[in-house]
Amino acid sequence: DQQVKQNSPSLSVQEGRISILNCDYTNSMFDYFLWYKKYPAEGPTFLISISSIKDKNEDGRFTVFLNKSAKHLSLHIVPSQPGDSAVYFCAASAQSNTGKLIFGQGTTLQVKP
Amino acid sequence: GAGVSQSPSNKVTEKGKDVELRCDPISGHTALYWYRQSLGQGLEFLIYFQGNSAPDKSGLPSDRFSAERTGGSVSTLTIQRTQQEDSAVYLCASSLRQGRRDIQYFGAGTRLSVL
Repeated sequence: DQQVKQNSPSLSVQEGRISILNCDYTNSMFDYFLWYKKYPAEGPTFLISISSIKDKNEDGRFTVFLNKSAKHLSLHIVPSQPGDSAVYFCAASAQSNTGKLIFGQGTTLQVKP
Repeated sequence: GAGVSQSPSNKVTEKGKDVELRCDPISGHTALYWYRQSLGQGLEFLIYFQGNSAPDKSGLPSDRFSAERTGGSVSTLTIQRTQQEDSAVYLCASSLRQGRRDIQYFGAGTRLSVL
């Protein structure tokens, strides 16, 4: 079963506008969430994270929001830039485990100039 | 400093052959993870090493898959009698493991194609 889901395979936005990427999870034991960004032929790189005790974390143009009751998180990129075009993966981990990450399927973001 | 290095970057093999994939983690990182990404899918956890021991092998899909880590550094993932469904990108990640929430740094992966 897919414990972390990214239901939008792709998203296209105009440069300068906001990009919103969504992620849903089913396991209530998840207490730490991350977003990774992946360019073609490269490994994923860490972008931003959030603990379940918070509902928002901001780092420059990137903000992650967590809604625990809805088991939903989102990544906002403002303003979007063409260099942000990549695949974005949502990931989660549970306190009981070894730090292994459970990933969503990814969303391909295209930012048009 | 150097990042996580994986070799080979690409591997084409025939069904039934054995393959070995190598991961050199970032120096000083005690934790090492293997994941794989099949076409159109997210990353799937395979195995976790802390030092040379593997306390979590729960993601290995079958007994054809095995992994070892030596000297607390290099790790090798071995797939015996490869099948076409083993075709995927195999990714290795390492972390300092100072806390459960440390960042995992990924290599570029090995793309395995089983013909």
